[in-house]
Amino acid sequence: EIVMTQSPATLSVSPGERATLSCRASQSVGTTLAWYQQKRGQAPRLLIYGVSARATGIPSRFSGSGSGTEFTLTISSLQSEDFAVYYCQQYNKWPITFGQGTRLEIK
Amino acid sequence: QEQLVESGGDVVQPGGSLRVSCAASGFSFSTYGMHWVRQAPGKGLEWVAFIWHDGSHEYYADSVKGRFTVSRDNSKNTLYLQMNSLRADDTAVYYCAKDWRPLTWTNWFDPWGQGTLVTVSS
Repeated sequence: EIVMTQSPATLSVSPGERATLSCRASQSVGTTLAWYQQKRGQAPRLLIYGVSARATGIPSRFSGSGSGTEFTLTISSLQSEDFAVYYCQQYNKWPITFGQGTRLEIK
Repeated sequence: QEQLVESGGDVVQPGGSLRVSCAASGFSFSTYGMHWVRQAPGKGLEWVAFIWHDGSHEYYADSVKGRFTVSRDNSKNTLYLQMNSLRADDTAVYYCAKDWRPLTWTNWFDPWGQGTLVTVSS
C-alpha cells in the first residue's frame, strides 16, 4: 500500500502568520491527493481535492500544491478557527490511505 | 443540506459482532458511492470500506477483509457495516462518508457523519 508521511507532527504558528504543512507519498500518486481538517471532537472536513481544488465553502487562504510524491498545504494568515489537525489522503490506488496528521497549534 | 447520521455503536466483547448504520438525507443516496472510515482513540484516520452506488462493487482494507461487510439499502437511504470477529484493535469511532461524485467514484469524501463509537473489550 501507499504510505503517506506528514511533517511536522506538530506545527506551532501565531495567528496571522502562514502555515506550511507537508505530505509525502511512498510512491507517485500523481495529482490524486486530498486534504482534510479535523477539529477536536468533530468529524473531518474536506478542504482540498485534486491537490489544489478547494472544496465548497473553503476560504481562499487554504491552498494546495505539489505532484507525484511531494505535496504542500499552505494556510496564509492563520485564523483562530484554523487551529486543528490536518490529514492528507491519497486516492490513486486501493487501499485509500491517510497520513498520520499534522497538529496545527497556536504559538 | 447533505447529512449523514451514524448509529449502532456499542461495547462488544472480543470475537463478537455488531452492525452500525448510517442514515443519509439531503442528497440522492442511490447515486453515490459510500465509504466507512475509522479513527481509533487519539489516532489518525483509517479507510475501512467502499460500496458502489448500486451495491455492485465493494472494496475493503486488508485489516478488515473477511470480517467486515459493507452493504446498503437504497430504498431506506441507509448504509451499513456488519462487523464480525471483532478484536480490540477495531475499537474506534466509525464514520460514514459520501463519495464526491455521483455514479462513479472519486475516493475523496464529502461530507462525513459525526461518527459512532465501537468499543471492543471484555
